Amino acid sequence: AQSVTQPDARVTVSEGASLQLRCKYSYSGTPYLFWYVQYQRQGLQLLLKYYSGDPVVQGVNGFEAEFSKSDSSFHLRKASVHWSDSAVYFCAASMYTNTGKLTFGDGTVLTVKP
Amino acid sequence: EAAVTQSPRNKVTVTGGNVTLSCRQTNSHNYMYWYRQDTGHGLRLIHYSYGAGNLQIGDVPDGYKATRTTQEDFFLLLELASPSQTSLYFCASSDAYGDQNTLYFGAGTRLSVL
Repeated sequence: AQSVTQPDARVTVSEGASLQLRCKYSYSGTPYLFWYVQYQRQGLQLLLKYYSGDPVVQGVNGFEAEFSKSDSSFHLRKASVHWSDSAVYFCAASMYTNTGKLTFGDGTVLTVKP
Repeated sequence: EAAVTQSPRNKVTVTGGNVTLSCRQTNSHNYMYWYRQDTGHGLRLIHYSYGAGNLQIGDVPDGYKATRTTQEDFFLLLELASPSQTSLYFCASSDAYGDQNTLYFGAGTRLSVL
């Protein structure tokens, strides 16, 4: 079955530190990949997406993610986190471009300590 | 900026009760979705719609009905609510003529079934 796994339920980092949130996918082909962020008491917002081409994609607020076909991964990174980055981050995947049907991971709760 | 509004924001009902969750989007998107979010399960797709009068079954449809009355309005109906339907429900929309995988989410409805 197709699935998205985020192995870390919670991550805590200090402000100014670098960040990596992990995402692994299990699909028969290469899916389209996404990172969404959910700030407290809000809906999810798209951070970045990968469809094809350069495996490193840039997103909003200094986030980037790297696609690896060999590792079946799409890890999210940021060079220096800010306290306002505290949120829940969801990795998602889809085999389609024209349906909007996404499969989400369980999410990683990021806490940034001041 | 896309706008998706859900109501109510919070709802408490009893087992066997009848509940309707409402969603309105004002960005002229064709696609609308209902997801539920549960700890340990991420977001799971309940129903979705390609336009007024259209309904598609998602991944976890049991116990739910949905109706798309207009392009703007999408309703989720729980006719015999059960405690297992206690969850955070999100509505989302996407543009059929743009990137359908970029979902715009509402702020969510927290439902408790006692």
